[in-house]
Amino acid sequence: AQSVTQLDSHVSVSEGTPVLLRCNYSSSYSPSLFWYVQHPNKGLQLLLKYTSAATLVKGINGFEAEFKKSETSFHLTKPSAHMSDAAEYFCVVSDRRSGGYNKLIFGAGTRLAVHP
Amino acid sequence: EAEVAQSPRYKITEKSQAVAFWCDPISGHATLYWYRQILGQGPELLVQFQDESVVDDSQLPKDRFSAERLKGVDSTLKIQPAELGDSAMYLCASRLGADSYNEQFFGPGTRLTVL
Repeated sequence: AQSVTQLDSHVSVSEGTPVLLRCNYSSSYSPSLFWYVQHPNKGLQLLLKYTSAATLVKGINGFEAEFKKSETSFHLTKPSAHMSDAAEYFCVVSDRRSGGYNKLIFGAGTRLAVHP
Repeated sequence: EAEVAQSPRYKITEKSQAVAFWCDPISGHATLYWYRQILGQGPELLVQFQDESVVDDSQLPKDRFSAERLKGVDSTLKIQPAELGDSAMYLCASRLGADSYNEQFFGPGTRLTVL
């Protein structure tokens, strides 16, 4: 069965410093992986997705993630944090099922705090 | 920009009462999902529809939860009777097709509090 583990429940950074949110996955085949962001009182928004093309994936708002099969990791990074990046971030793996009805499996989330 | 609509945004109820949540997906999206997100956790799938048919309800507590999408458009999730442990955010999402390359779009959610 597929699963994801987000290694940090909380991350705190200063504005303008790099962001690293860590995610490890477990999958018996080549997975589809995603990062979603959830701002307070707003719906989940897709940041980026990996679907077996380039291993370095660029997303919205300057975020990117690198798929490393040997390490079963899909860490999210951003060179310079902005105050508006403060939110909950979810690493997600797509569980491939028969009939193509794939199911998203979410990690527990990492809360990112950005302070001045 | 098209969005997934959900109502109500907040619901407070007493245990043993019935509650219902409504979701209107993005127009043309055949796949609709209901998720439950307990505070401090990631969303968990409750039920998935393809058009009007349920394709996965393995995690839906069927003794008290029900979901329908009669015309393959909007959907209702019902809980009867509500229990204290049902307090959570209920999220609806839709996708154009079932392919994993299609993005799921999420609504703002309904926050349920059971007293």
